[in-house]
Parts: sequence; C-alpha cells; structure tokens
Amino acid sequence: QVQLQESGPGLVKPSQTLSLTCTVSGGSINTGDYYWSWIRQSPIKGLEWIGYIYYTGNTYYNPSLKSRMTISIDISKSQFSLRLASVTAADTAVYYCARTWISQYYYMDVWGKGTTVTVSS
Amino acid sequence: EIVVTQSPGTLSLSPGERATLSCRASQSISSSFLAWYQQKPGQAPRLLIYGASNRATGIPDRFSGSGSGTDFTLTINRLEPEDSAVYYCQQYGGSLTFGGGTKVEIK
Repeated sequence: QVQLQESGPGLVKPSQTLSLTCTVSGGSINTGDYYWSWIRQSPIKGLEWIGYIYYTGNTYYNPSLKSRMTISIDISKSQFSLRLASVTAADTAVYYCARTWISQYYYMDVWGKGTTVTVSS
Repeated sequence: EIVVTQSPGTLSLSPGERATLSCRASQSISSSFLAWYQQKPGQAPRLLIYGASNRATGIPDRFSGSGSGTDFTLTINRLEPEDSAVYYCQQYGGSLTFGGGTKVEIK
C-alpha cells in the first residue's frame, strides 16, 4: 500500500529556510485522484494545514503562510517538497505529509509518520 | 476562515460506554467536506470518517459520524481501551482547517 516518508533537517536557525521532502512509495504520485499535502502540528496551534500540490504542479496554500512558502513536486523521484522561508520559533512543529482526496470529499487518508522541526539558534 | 470548535476538551469514560464528540463550524459547510481523525501519542492522525458519515477503510462500525450544516458528531459505541486517543474534526470551506481536538480517556 502507499506509504509516505518525510525527510529533512530537524533543526533550522531563525530567519533561514525550512526544507522538507516527502517520498511516496507503493503507489504512483502522478495519479489524478489525489493531491499531496503538508500539515504541521504544534502544541500552540494544533493541527494546521500548510498546503497541497497536484501532480500537474498546481498548488494551493494556506493564506496565512502563502507569502513564505513553496511546494513543489518531482514525479521522477516520487517526491514532493516544502520550503518555508524566514522561519521563527513559531514554525517549530511536527511536519506531516499526507495523501489528500479532493473531489466529492476532502480528506487525508494516508499520512507519513511526521518529522520534528525545531527552529532555534 | 471557518473556525472549527470541538467539545468537550476531554471525555473520561469506562469501557463499554458510548462517547459523543461534537464539532461545530463557524459557518455552514457541506457535509461532504467534514472528516474525523484519531491520533494516538507519537503517531500521525488516522482517518476515521469522511463525508461526515462514511467510515474509512478498516474502521470498526463502533465509530459513526453524523451531522450537517454547522454541527457534526462523532459517536464511539462500546468503548474499548484502544480508543484512548485525541480525536480531530477537519473541514473544507474554501480553506482547510482542523478543530482543537477532544481527548478521550478510558478509565
């Protein structure tokens, strides 16, 4: 079955750029049925949707983060990535990637295990 | 942005009892766009219910969802110790947001 795995640095300095990659295995990333999401979770903000990308490269971002973020996709590697610029301590969270069904319904049915990112000098 | 409020914050029940969790949206949403997740410590959320009332693959029929408009409910019948977790609702109404969660404790 489809599995997702996040990877990237666990520690990022303030004002720098956070970069994470999600690798999709056991299934195709360029299926038209799904979008591919990033979600984060912190004790202060709880679960927060960051954005998602379609295999065509179309992206949809959380308006509160839109100015700082980029989500991209590499179909040849079965990966999609998140870049979040100018990070602060408020960006410290567990970051998840998830497969997202968006059509008649909206839900995330397959999640990665999550990766902890700490913003600190 | 639609705000989603879950109540109660914590529910403490005994095995075999029924849990009723509430999810309220600040604006009316399509029931098709309401989902519920279960999260245990150290794990990612797991999809339970989508479209307000459809169980995800492999979810026991003890879990059921209902509701429409702004008010939605997750019911867990015949509670088992393994149901101890935090439960989140998620809505899509132009943007995607999650509720703050309800913690279910099994006595």
